[in-house]
Amino acid sequence: EVQLVESGGGLVQPGGSLRLSCAASGFTFSSYAMSWVRQAPGKGLEWVSAISGSGGSTYYADSVKGRFTISRDNSKNTLYLQMNSLRAEDTAVFYCAKYRSTGFYYMDVWGKGTTVTVSS
Amino acid sequence: DIVMTQSPDSLAVSLGERATINCKSSQSVLYSSNNKNYLAWYQQKPGQPPKLLIYWASTRESGVPVRFSGSGSGTDFTLTISSLQAEDVGVYYCQQYYSTPPNTFGQGTRLEIK
Repeated sequence: EVQLVESGGGLVQPGGSLRLSCAASGFTFSSYAMSWVRQAPGKGLEWVSAISGSGGSTYYADSVKGRFTISRDNSKNTLYLQMNSLRAEDTAVFYCAKYRSTGFYYMDVWGKGTTVTVSS
Repeated sequence: DIVMTQSPDSLAVSLGERATINCKSSQSVLYSSNNKNYLAWYQQKPGQPPKLLIYWASTRESGVPVRFSGSGSGTDFTLTISSLQAEDVGVYYCQQYYSTPPNTFGQGTRLEIK
């Protein structure tokens, strides 16, 4: 069964850091681009970041550029999101999602999400 | 970036009736070289992650009931639920992947039972 399981969320003060992880199973992880998508409380979906299968190409939303870093360890089938200089507006459920192909097209598998709360 | 705008923001439909959700992109998402529209639809039920319903604007994902269909081309798209069931309640999002990244989503349409 194809599965994505996020972890690492929690409560952090403004200006703080967190690292999210997404453990993948049931598919050849290195063959697929991956992404992080977030959803603020009561709001819609916001694409945050994406990474190619090899990890050689990374992309960010303007709202997180320079603060967040996406990476992956294909030997561990794990995707990461390092989040620094966190702000209150980063409070959201963060979903890990798999793209259907090597390209950055549509996302066919989603994790259940991990909650990040930025508050003092 | 391509902006996706959905209408309406919310919709109440009686069980068994047709539900129609619209999505408009700020520029065409039709790629002329392959004649494909780079648009997907997702369903998000309360407390759950999004689920892929439709891709290439009209291709139903495996396991998605046939009452769900997608149509449209260029900048204007529609998701239709032909006969609304109780389990279809949730929020529906369109997403373009023509100019990507970023993959931009519409703001969502909340579907309820009348």
